[in-house]
Amino acid sequence: DTGVSQNPRHKITKRGQNVTFRCDPISEHNRLYWYRQTLGQGPEFLTYFQNEAQLEKSRLLSDRFSAERPKGSFSTLEIQRTEQGDSAMYLCASSFPTADTQYFGPGTRLTVL
Amino acid sequence: GESVGLHLPTLSVQEGDNSIINCAYSNSASDYFIWYKQESGKGPQFIIDIRSNMDKRQGQRVTVLLNKTVKHLSLQIAATQPGDSAVYFCAENNRGGKLIFGQGTELSVKP
Repeated sequence: DTGVSQNPRHKITKRGQNVTFRCDPISEHNRLYWYRQTLGQGPEFLTYFQNEAQLEKSRLLSDRFSAERPKGSFSTLEIQRTEQGDSAMYLCASSFPTADTQYFGPGTRLTVL
Repeated sequence: GESVGLHLPTLSVQEGDNSIINCAYSNSASDYFIWYKQESGKGPQFIIDIRSNMDKRQGQRVTVLLNKTVKHLSLQIAATQPGDSAVYFCAENNRGGKLIFGQGTELSVKP
C-alpha cells in the first residue's frame, strides 16, 4: 500500500496524559499536513511541513500541541496534558510541493476520558 | 435527480438517479477547489478537483462546476450507486498549503 498511513488508528487515553501519533506520507511527497476533525464537521487545518520545515501553524495548535518532521519523511503529532476537548479524528495528508491535491490517511481517532 | 440548497446537511436519492451536491466557498481569491468523499471511520478520499481558470471538469460519473461570480461549487454524480453513500466535502485553497473545508453533505442512496 503506497498511500498515507497513520498509527495508531485508535487511541483512548485519560485526561492529563500525553499522546503521540505518527504519519507516514506517500514516499515522493514533500509536503505533509495535519488536520483535526470533530464529529459532523469538516477537517480543520492544524499545521504543515515542506520537507522538515514547519511552514504554517493554525491558532488551533495550542502550546500543548507539537508536530515534528525531523528527517523530512514521517511526522509525529504530540498532545501534552490531554483534555476532553481534544477528542477528535486527527488526519494526516501529503502532497507534492508543486501540486495542490492532498491525499489523506485513514486518521487516528483519539478519545480522552 | 435532486438538487439541494446550500448548507443542507443531508441528501437522499434513489439508486440510478443523478445527485447534485452544492457548496459555497468563502474566499474570492481561492484558485483551487477539490471534492472529497468520506465514508464512516475513514479519511477523506479525493474525487475531483478544478482550478479557478475553469468552470467545468468531468471525471468518471462525476462533474464539478465552478461559478466564481457567486462563489459556488457543485458536484454532480451520475447514476448514483449505493457505494456513493458517504459525506461529501468541498475544500478551497488559495496558493497556500492549507485546505479550507466546507461543512459537508451526507448523501444517502436508497436501493
